[in-house]
Amino acid sequence: GNSVTQMEGPVTLSEEAFLTINCTYTATGYPSLFWYVQYPGEGLQLLLKATKADDKGSNKGFEATYRKETTSFHLEKGSVQVSDSAVYFCALSGGGSNYKLTFGKGTLLTVNP
Amino acid sequence: NAGVTQTPKFQVLKTGQSMTLQCAQDMNHNSMYWYRQDPGMGLRLIYYSASEGTTDKGEVPNGYNVSRLNKREFSLRLESAAPSQTSVYFCASRAPGGQYGYTFGSGTRLTVV
Repeated sequence: GNSVTQMEGPVTLSEEAFLTINCTYTATGYPSLFWYVQYPGEGLQLLLKATKADDKGSNKGFEATYRKETTSFHLEKGSVQVSDSAVYFCALSGGGSNYKLTFGKGTLLTVNP
Repeated sequence: NAGVTQTPKFQVLKTGQSMTLQCAQDMNHNSMYWYRQDPGMGLRLIYYSASEGTTDKGEVPNGYNVSRLNKREFSLRLESAAPSQTSVYFCASRAPGGQYGYTFGSGTRLTVV
């Protein structure tokens, strides 16, 4: 079945540091890949997505590239802010009529001023 | 605002009590999902409904039932609550096609004592 493995953390960075959160996946076919963000006390929000190999998703300074050869979708940001402190989830959506999302366990990011 | 609405936001139950978590979406999505979120476990799928009139089990369905009342509403019922069901519950819906990801509600924090 489908699975997602992501860096568990927690990750603590200083403001303006570079961020990488690793995500690798196992899936049959050609899944779509997503990063979701969850701010304290809130639900999950879609941060970015990529639907085919070599696609780059980007939003709010975050980027991730769909690498089929390494089955990876690592999240990066060049300069983090305190407001980026949240839990980040990598997820994939397989083919089929129901497109169920499979999530990684989440990575807690804390950015200190 | 358009989106997914969950009620209640917080609930405390005694072991053995029953309750229904409500979820409604106004985006005309066909597919709806219930997840639970537990520390260190990420999000796990409880039940889903690919379309009005259909429901299917997810990864952790035991102890739960669902009803897809109409296209907008998808409820989750705990018939006899147990402490192991203490969790945060999220409802989500999805536009047709796996490339769009999900829209999540803000969650219900349930404590069973």
